Formats: sequence, structure tokens, C-alpha cells
Amino acid sequence: DAKTTQPTSMDCAEGRAANLPCNHSTISGNEYVYWYRQIHSQGPQYIIHGLKNNETNEMASLIITEDRKSSTLILPHATLRDTAVYYCIVSPWGSARQLTFGSGTQLTVLP
Amino acid sequence: EAGVTQSPTHLIKTRGQQATLRCSPISGHTSVYWYQQALGLGLQFLLWYDEGEERNRGNFPPRFSGRQFPNYSSELNVNALELEDSALYLCASSLAGKGNYGYTFGSGTRLTVV
Repeated sequence: DAKTTQPTSMDCAEGRAANLPCNHSTISGNEYVYWYRQIHSQGPQYIIHGLKNNETNEMASLIITEDRKSSTLILPHATLRDTAVYYCIVSPWGSARQLTFGSGTQLTVLP
Repeated sequence: EAGVTQSPTHLIKTRGQQATLRCSPISGHTSVYWYQQALGLGLQFLLWYDEGEERNRGNFPPRFSGRQFPNYSSELNVNALELEDSALYLCASSLAGKGNYGYTFGSGTRLTVV
């Protein structure tokens, strides 16, 4: 699976949009981008995934660049409860192989 | 729909003992994955079971083992416990490869070795 690079930490003001970047320059054509988050000492939670088109759900939006080498997860109106470690993962669709979690980005939403 | 359930929530063992952790996947999910997360560290992949078979294991010694039962629930066994085995052990289930991707994690078992 392709490797991803994320900033170690980011801060965001409550109510503002949180934009979390991820680089995946070695992504293959059949690999999707997945985002999970882990709130302190809980199991990670799936957020969103995409292949090449921008995706939106009730939690977030995912913007993938045209060359697919990077993506941005957007939390449109961050709340204190969004404080968590956010993981960007690339993996082939339909693969049952385990997901590999990197170090992620610690997002801290400030009041 | 019930989520992934793990038991026990907390477990305290003495060095050298054995620990058994249990995981019940979401109904219909056949793949179960185990991860270890030591304090302040990332998730390290331990084991993957699908359809009752061990499909892959991470870089852990053989004293970490497990199995998957016919109802797809799973058990993780850690023998000869060492202090550094103290960690949060997370289980996830999925229908990966069968049209629905995305893991659902349990809340974990906090293992403390003293």
C-alpha cells in the first residue's frame, strides 16, 4: 500500500473549517484514500473515502487533487468534539488486507 | 445494529501470565483484525482473520496468537506476558472484499501487565 505523509499536529478554532492535508504521491490507480479518526483512547472511527472525485458526507468533505497525489479532509465547522488524531490511509478497494495506520495528525480544536 | 464488542474492557495480569481477549464482530462481517496501541503510540497491526483462517500477522512474536470461531467472533491470546505488552488492544471487523469497505472498531481492551 502507498505511504502517506501528514502533519504531526494542527490547531483549529471552534466553528471554523479544519483542513487536514495528506500526501500520497505513490498512490496506485486502484487505491482509494480513506480517512479515520481516533478520539482519545477510543477505537478509530471511519470518516470518508474516495478514489478521484470529491466526496462529501454528513461528517466531512474529501478533496482529492487531479493527479491524486494529495488530498484534504475538510471538517466544515469544527467543534471541540472533533479534537482527535486523524489518519489518512490509502488501500485498494475491495482488498481485505489489513489497513496500515500511520502516525496521523493530532487536530486540536480550540475554544 | 450492535457494533463491535470487546471484552473485557480492562484486564490486569502479572508478568508471565496469559491473557485472553475477545471480540464479537458486527453481524455479517467475516473479517476480524486485531491491533495493539501502546500508550502514546500508533496502531500496530497484529492479526487478521477471515472465514476462520489466519490471513496475515504483523511483526509480533509467536506468543501473540488467536483464532476465529465459526460465528466469526475472535479471541486474541497473549502468552508469557511482558510489561511492554501493556496496551490498548483494538479489534475491528469489516466486509472487506465483499462490496462494503471500511472498518468498524470496538472500544478496546486495556491490558495492564504488572
